[in-house]
Amino acid sequence: DTEVTQTPKHLVMGMTNKKSLKCEQHMGHRAMYWYKQKAKKPPELMFVYSYEKLSINESVPSRFSPECPNSSLLNLHLHALQPEDSALYLCASSQDIRVIGANVLTFGAGSRLTVL
Amino acid sequence: DAKTTQPPSMDCAEGRAANLPCNHSTISGNEYVYWYRQIHSQGPQYIIHGLKNNETNEMASLIITEDRKSSTLILPHATLRDTAVYYCIVLSTGTASKLTFGTGTRLQVTL
Repeated sequence: DTEVTQTPKHLVMGMTNKKSLKCEQHMGHRAMYWYKQKAKKPPELMFVYSYEKLSINESVPSRFSPECPNSSLLNLHLHALQPEDSALYLCASSQDIRVIGANVLTFGAGSRLTVL
Repeated sequence: DAKTTQPPSMDCAEGRAANLPCNHSTISGNEYVYWYRQIHSQGPQYIIHGLKNNETNEMASLIITEDRKSSTLILPHATLRDTAVYYCIVLSTGTASKLTFGTGTRLQVTL
């Protein structure tokens, strides 16, 4: 299995809702990532987990809460979002962030979020 | 990480080679050049990476100049399915986790 699976593919939520995005991989990768991509812009790194521990938080607002329950799963919990948070949220995984020169990321297809 | 400069857009006829340039004049000795692409409405896809030597795989070839200040991604026989945004990224060994995308080159392959 060489895929990263993201669910749901589309999500519409109100500003008072609580929802979650899910990401799963079965490649034995020990690093997992969340990126945010606005229309016609490049992806922006949000969070990096390494061996189930949060390694990087790119100053993301607390209304986005990541969780890595095990090495195969990555969640992004959403609460009190704003309309400007509407975007494509991409999950990725890689073998190990400590692998020098060969840390290739495999991306999922993304979850398209609309905040009303 | 060194910054990269890419042309915003390029066209290529189907069946011809697509040569996508990338300037990374401030690259350091321990920094790798990675290429990813993103087809519309999909997640980015890894293509190839290299340090000093030219590299080739089933998707593309990567030519890095001797001074390592620039590189070219070559798609030898472009097809319509190669239409995408291509990102050139320079990554140091110490920050392998921070894959930072620039604005990329939008390649349009036409009949």
